[in-house]
Amino acid sequence: AQKITQTQPGMFVQEKEAVTLDCTYDTSDPSYGLFWYKQPSSGEMIFLIYQGSYDQQNATEGRYSLNFQKARKSANLVISASQLGDSAMYFCAMRESLGGNQFYFGTGTSLTVIP
Amino acid sequence: DTAVSQTPKYLVTQMGNDKSIKCEQNLGHDTMYWYKQDSKKFLKIMFSYNNKELIINETVPNRFSPKSPDKAHLNLHINSLELGDSAVYFCASSQGAVAVPNEKLFFGSGTQLSVL
Repeated sequence: AQKITQTQPGMFVQEKEAVTLDCTYDTSDPSYGLFWYKQPSSGEMIFLIYQGSYDQQNATEGRYSLNFQKARKSANLVISASQLGDSAMYFCAMRESLGGNQFYFGTGTSLTVIP
Repeated sequence: DTAVSQTPKYLVTQMGNDKSIKCEQNLGHDTMYWYKQDSKKFLKIMFSYNNKELIINETVPNRFSPKSPDKAHLNLHINSLELGDSAVYFCASSQGAVAVPNEKLFFGSGTQLSVL
């Protein structure tokens, strides 16, 4: 089974609107971390936000927030007030505490912000 | 100061050649990784070293050989390059000898390898 599933290969959003990028995960480890990374067309991988499995509140970092629904094993990224510079690939990733040093990545979602 | 630096950024070479990609991190991290990103943008773990010891060795052709002279460096050597090796290769690092879920990956800027 896939550890991380991103079902949206491509998404479009109007500038200044909010957008949600979906991510579901599969683990039996009670302690794990979830990450989102952004990869713009220039190619670098940029860390956006982290959510721990024991965190009581949803993580937020500026315009990024993580909609963490533990029972549903989902960790969706919400980008508010989209900007043209948000156009990029977005990757969801997970790290398990019992999984050694392995990070599992999803297949990514390509987000295009329309002016 | 670049946290994780890898060189070269671009590598164009002929089939059958041998090439190396170098990676260095100045974050004091114990664990380093090599990832391969294919044309569909899928990121696949290749290797991981913890304090110079190999801890993750995914199904990768043995033409690929990682070398870690110290915990700050993890180089990737590729023998007898093939067309299918064309991809972007990312070096990354994370802190800590024991996996802690909140330790994020720090990535290098990637090496675009093109095999002609």
